[in-house]
Amino acid sequence: VQLVQSGAELKKPGESLKISCKGSQYTFSTYWIGWVRQTPGSGLEWVAIMRPADFSTRYNPSFEGQVTISADSSIGTAYLQWNTLQASDTGVYYCAGRRAVDGSPFDSWGLGTLVTVSS
Amino acid sequence: QSALTQPRSVSGSPGQSVTISCTGTYTDVGRYNFVSWYQQYAGKPPKLIISDVSNRPSGVPERFSGSKSGNTASLTISGLQPDDEAEYYCCAYAGTWYPYVFGTGTQVIVL
Repeated sequence: VQLVQSGAELKKPGESLKISCKGSQYTFSTYWIGWVRQTPGSGLEWVAIMRPADFSTRYNPSFEGQVTISADSSIGTAYLQWNTLQASDTGVYYCAGRRAVDGSPFDSWGLGTLVTVSS
Repeated sequence: QSALTQPRSVSGSPGQSVTISCTGTYTDVGRYNFVSWYQQYAGKPPKLIISDVSNRPSGVPERFSGSKSGNTASLTISGLQPDDEAEYYCCAYAGTWYPYVFGTGTQVIVL
């Protein structure tokens, strides 16, 4: 499973942003797609996950309300969106895929999108 | 959910074995046999090397093995090689509404 992420972003606090992760239609019909943030101080953190087939979603409580996960299965693309960025949103965001069974690990990863929020 | 606790670093000489611990609680590591391990090189995405406590995905060398006892999972690298120098993260399932709790990460240093 190949996941291709959008490029690095440099934004100012208060701005909005939507990053993307493209797979295949088959992937999006069978996999769950999630987002994982990595920062130097906090390591890896799961942000959110969605099953594009029926839009079931799960959010890490630490990120709920701050970001929105979405997907367009017709083009095999998932998104992570911020309406109001903060400096603390800075980090590398990986999209990752896992199989349908609950408890499955992320077995496919994109290369990551660096998001920098700075005034 | 709090991050799982791992040692910051472990080291060993080529050919030796090292073990990385991953301590959680009865709500994650202790409750489910859904512990995975990832290897990450600097600037690269994580790579799955162990799933379901002790299963190796295709292509992962037998030198990597996983186990669990109570609230602590472990990753052992046998016959350490220079290429094993990387960051390693554990990850545990904590229920359908919190499927991923990552560990704090461990740097493996090959002397």
